[in-house]
Amino acid sequence: EDQVTQSPEALRLQEGESSSLNCSYTVSGLRGLFWYRQDPGKGPEFLFTLYSAGEEKEKERLKATLTKKESFLHITAPKPEDSATYLCAARGGSYIPTFGRGTSLIVHP
Amino acid sequence: EAGVTQSPTHLIKTRGQQATLRCSPISGHTSVYWYQQALGLGLQFLLWYDEGEERNRGNFPPRFSGRQFPNYSSELNVNALELEDSALYLCASGREGNLLEYTEAFFGQGTRLTVV
Repeated sequence: EDQVTQSPEALRLQEGESSSLNCSYTVSGLRGLFWYRQDPGKGPEFLFTLYSAGEEKEKERLKATLTKKESFLHITAPKPEDSATYLCAARGGSYIPTFGRGTSLIVHP
Repeated sequence: EAGVTQSPTHLIKTRGQQATLRCSPISGHTSVYWYQQALGLGLQFLLWYDEGEERNRGNFPPRFSGRQFPNYSSELNVNALELEDSALYLCASGREGNLLEYTEAFFGQGTRLTVV
């Protein structure tokens, strides 16, 4: 059974304080590791797709990396508008994206 | 390009009633996924439709069902509603890439179902 675990569950940062979110996955035959951002009461917004270990992608203050067992979402010099829940999903041989519970990020000004 | 659209945005039903939720995928996408997101919980996979066929379903009772139409839009039906069915129901659409890579799924804004 595919499993995705995210940590920490919640993270509070000061504006400008960089940090990383972790996503550990167990899937057979990874066919995509996805990061989404979700604001309260809204649908998840797509951020990144990673396919193979060693791959990295960047978008503004966010950078996603992938190893064979984990993915990290690095947030550099965050701003209050980066506050949201960040979701990780892995898609394996079942073709169904399995989601973690998310990391709730709050960035204080 | 229009995104994934879901309707209605909010739905209030009484226990025992039926609810129908609708989803229109992004143009060119043939797959539709349905997820349930209950308060404080992660996204739980409900159903996957592709090219009009049900490809997989999650660990939900048979009263959760749906279908996909020839234009790839989809309906989720929930019969005999229970209080614990109250949740945000999310629809996502995607398209399959080549054999080794699969494209990401894009989500709609969800339907907030409240069962009273």
